[in-house]
Amino acid sequence: DTEVTQTPKHLVMGMTNKKSLKCEQHMGHRAMYWYKQKAKKPPELMFVYSYEKLSINESVPSRFSPECPNSSLLNLHLHALQPEDSALYLCASSQDPPGQGAYGYTFGSGTRLTVV
Amino acid sequence: RKEVEQDPGPFNVPEGATVAFNCTYSNSASQSFFWYRQDCRKEPKLLMSVYSSGNEDGRFTAQLNRASQYISLLIRDSKLSDSATYLCVVIIGNTGKLIFGQGTTLQVKP
Repeated sequence: DTEVTQTPKHLVMGMTNKKSLKCEQHMGHRAMYWYKQKAKKPPELMFVYSYEKLSINESVPSRFSPECPNSSLLNLHLHALQPEDSALYLCASSQDPPGQGAYGYTFGSGTRLTVV
Repeated sequence: RKEVEQDPGPFNVPEGATVAFNCTYSNSASQSFFWYRQDCRKEPKLLMSVYSSGNEDGRFTAQLNRASQYISLLIRDSKLSDSATYLCVVIIGNTGKLIFGQGTTLQVKP
C-alpha cells in the first residue's frame, strides 16, 4: 500500500460546526504532515508529527487541532472556522527522520473544505 | 522576500516546444531540492529531485546552482499532457518541512 488516504474528499461546514478531517497511511512512515492550500497558492505547512508527537506547529490558530492517535492515523479537528479557512487540506507522510528527501513524501488527494 | 521564488507565468507554448522554468531560493541552509507537478484540483506529485550535477528523466532535465541559489527545469518536446503547475520545492536543513514556490503554470497548445 503506497497511498495516503484522506476523508472526506469534500466538506461543507458552518462556522459553528465541529468536524474532523482524517488521514491514513500504511507505509510505515513515521512523520505525517498537514498542509493548507488556498486557490492559486502553493501548499503551506500547518503541522508536523514525528513518531506520533507534534514537532512543528506553524503558528496555526487554535480552531485547528491536530491529533495523531497512532503511527498510521492523523486527524485534524475543526471548530469555529471562518469562511477564509476554506481551502484544500493536504495530508502527507514521509520516512523518518524528516529531511531525508522527497522520495519518502507522499501526499493524499486532499479534503476540499468550504466554510459557510 | 519569499523563501522560494518562481515566475508564475503562465507559459503558453505549442506542442513540441522546449520550455525552461527557473526558481531561486533565499535560505543558504536549504539542503534538498525538488520539482513537483500539480494538476488542477489535484495533490502535488513529485516530478524529480534536483542535484548540482544535474539530472535528467526522459524529456525533463533539472539543474541546481548552489552558488547562485538557483534551480531550473527544462522540458523538451512538450506534450499536451505536460500542462500543469510546476512547483519548485526546497527543504531547509533536516526540518522535513517542504517550502513551496508559488508555482509556474504551463499550458501546452496543439
